[in-house]
Amino acid sequence: EAQVTQNPRYLITVTGKKLTVTCSQNMNHEYMSWYRQDPGLGLRQIYYSMNVEVTDKGDVPEGYKVSRKEKRNFPLILESPSPNQTSLYFCASSLGREVALYEQYFGPGTRLTVT
Amino acid sequence: QKEVEQDPGPLSVPEGAIVSLNCTYSNSAFQYFMWYRQYSRKGPELLMYTYSSGNKEDGRFTAQVDKSSKYISLFIRDSQPSDSATYLCAMSAGTGGFKTIFGAGTRLFVKA
Repeated sequence: EAQVTQNPRYLITVTGKKLTVTCSQNMNHEYMSWYRQDPGLGLRQIYYSMNVEVTDKGDVPEGYKVSRKEKRNFPLILESPSPNQTSLYFCASSLGREVALYEQYFGPGTRLTVT
Repeated sequence: QKEVEQDPGPLSVPEGAIVSLNCTYSNSAFQYFMWYRQYSRKGPELLMYTYSSGNKEDGRFTAQVDKSSKYISLFIRDSQPSDSATYLCAMSAGTGGFKTIFGAGTRLFVKA
């Protein structure tokens, strides 16, 4: 089954404790992206990657890191999480450059709480 | 001012009604206009996309883009309880990067 998977689905952590949220897709998609979703603000793009070893900032990259060492994986790293990073996070992927502009497949989401 | 404005609702309609969902935007560079549907506790899924201006129809769904007014709409005909979800508009410029800007989403309830 074609899908985007994220782990963990739920995470409660404390301020400053480094964490990684994994994202994997099995569709051989070139484009991958991370979003956070907050009430009243909608989805905001954190980082995106056009291909292996190519990443770029979205609208809200502060406090986050990403890497794209393999085509299928795009982990999101919070080096020192803070309470304002409490949010619902989505990973998405798309077939390629132009398609990335209008057709993305989303994972099930990771609900992160930082206390 | 946000780049994309969308009324959060909630919008409650009886089954069979025609639903109109709308977004306004400020960036005239946007060329790709999408509508995503998000069920509770799920990731968004693409419903429709339109390139530049015009209308696009897919079954009970019609997407309209009016670039002169910077206004996009999604119409749902013969609405069903299964249409109850949050609807997100999204837009991309297609040049200078591959960012997608989403609206905050409108929550729709269709009552049986």
